Amino acid sequence: EPEVTQTPSHQVTQMGQEVILRCVPISNHLYFYWYRQILGQKVEFLVSFYNNEISEKSEIFDDQFSVERPDGSNFTLKIRSTKLEDSAMYFCASRTGHRNTEAFFGQGTRLTVV
Amino acid sequence: DQQVKQNSPSLSVQEGRISILNCDYTNSMFDYFLWYKKYPAEGPTFLISISSIKDKNEDGRFTVFLNKSAKHLSLHIVPSQPGDSAVYFCAASVSGANSKLTFGKGITLSVRP
Repeated sequence: EPEVTQTPSHQVTQMGQEVILRCVPISNHLYFYWYRQILGQKVEFLVSFYNNEISEKSEIFDDQFSVERPDGSNFTLKIRSTKLEDSAMYFCASRTGHRNTEAFFGQGTRLTVV
Repeated sequence: DQQVKQNSPSLSVQEGRISILNCDYTNSMFDYFLWYKKYPAEGPTFLISISSIKDKNEDGRFTVFLNKSAKHLSLHIVPSQPGDSAVYFCAASVSGANSKLTFGKGITLSVRP
């Protein structure tokens, strides 16, 4: 069964450093998303991506964040200068784009900023 | 701004009995609702969904009910099994090209053998 894969599973970084979280969405999917879950809180939408551009972003997704689909298969989330409060589980998701279909999630990357 | 609310943080049921997980929403624009299941150290896994044109959708042991006037949905699991023990998230979206999901906080279900 096709699945969304994310690497790394766990990333520890120092405050102020740049991190890149990587995702390989399901191959025939058209819409790509990043969500995050801070420990003990709800899963929150960060950004959606379609046709090589951002289609929507939340207020969390400020100038420190960027997304890219560099090679037609990978989908990356970059945090330019990490803060302690960026520590969270980051989930990548993809969906086909047909109306009323579910999003498929990756297993997540746990980002710890120290 | 809690557009999707799961007010009970946890639920414990006996194996074989029914589990009922509740979810309320405030945004009347939501017209597609989903339930996801999540185990520790894994991503959310899609379980079942319902469109606002329906009031019930069934898939095996899982049934989702939607009451649009009350802005309430519920997930019924019958019979409950120990392997169902997980965190269950209710999510909602507005149909459209983007369809981002708005999640509730989740309910931890424990099914006792």
